[in-house]
Amino acid sequence: AQSVAQPEDQVNVAEGNPLTVKCTYSVSGNPYLFWYVQYPNRGLQFLLKYITGDNLVKGSYGFEAEFNKSQTSFHLKKPSALVSDSALYFCAVRDNDYKLSFGAGTTVTVRA
Amino acid sequence: DTEVTQTPKHLVMGMTNKKSLKCEQHMGHRAMYWYKQKAKKPPELMFVYSYEKLSINESVPSRFSPECPNSSLLNLHLHALQPEDSALYLCASSQAGGSGNTIYFGEGSWLTVV
Repeated sequence: AQSVAQPEDQVNVAEGNPLTVKCTYSVSGNPYLFWYVQYPNRGLQFLLKYITGDNLVKGSYGFEAEFNKSQTSFHLKKPSALVSDSALYFCAVRDNDYKLSFGAGTTVTVRA
Repeated sequence: DTEVTQTPKHLVMGMTNKKSLKCEQHMGHRAMYWYKQKAKKPPELMFVYSYEKLSINESVPSRFSPECPNSSLLNLHLHALQPEDSALYLCASSQAGGSGNTIYFGEGSWLTVV
C-alpha cells in the first residue's frame, strides 16, 4: 500500500521567513503526490500535485513542492511565509483511482 | 473557492433523529466521495461513487446511508447516530478514473450528535 509520512506535527516560523513542510512517501510504482491545506473551520483546499515531469511543482498561494525520488520526499515550500498561511497541511498519495492516503498533518503557525 | 457545495454547514441531531447531508458539484465530475474528519486528524474515506454507482464502502456502519441521485448530487442519510459520530463530514469530487486526477473538497458539514 502507498503511504506518506509527515515527520513534524508542528512548524513555527516568523512572517517573511521561508516555510518548509516535510513529507516522505513510500510507494510501489509511480507516485501521485498531493498537498492540501485546511484553514481553521474550513474544508480541504488543493494546493498542488506531482504526477510526472518537472520535479519542482508550483501551486496556489505561492507554494511549491520539490519531488525528490532518491530521498522519496515531496516537501512543500514557500519562500516568504505570511501570517495567513497558518493552517493545517496534509500531504497525500494516491492509492488507486479513488483512494487518497493522507499523512497525519502538520500544523503551521506563522508569527507576526 | 471550492466548487463543491455542502449543506447544511452545521447540524445538531439527537440519536433517534433522521437527517441528511447534501452535496452538489457542477464541475462535470463523475466520481464523488464522502469523508469523515475528526479534529486535527486527516480525513477518512467513507464512500465513493463512480458514474452514480457505489464503488467503495469502507466498512461504514449502516446508520450512514449514501445516495447519488444524479451525476451532480450526493447525499448522506443519517439515522440512529452515536455521539462518537460527531465530526466534520466532507464531500469531494473528481474526474472518474486515473490516479492523477485531483480530488476537490467542499467546506464540510459539522455534525454534532447529542
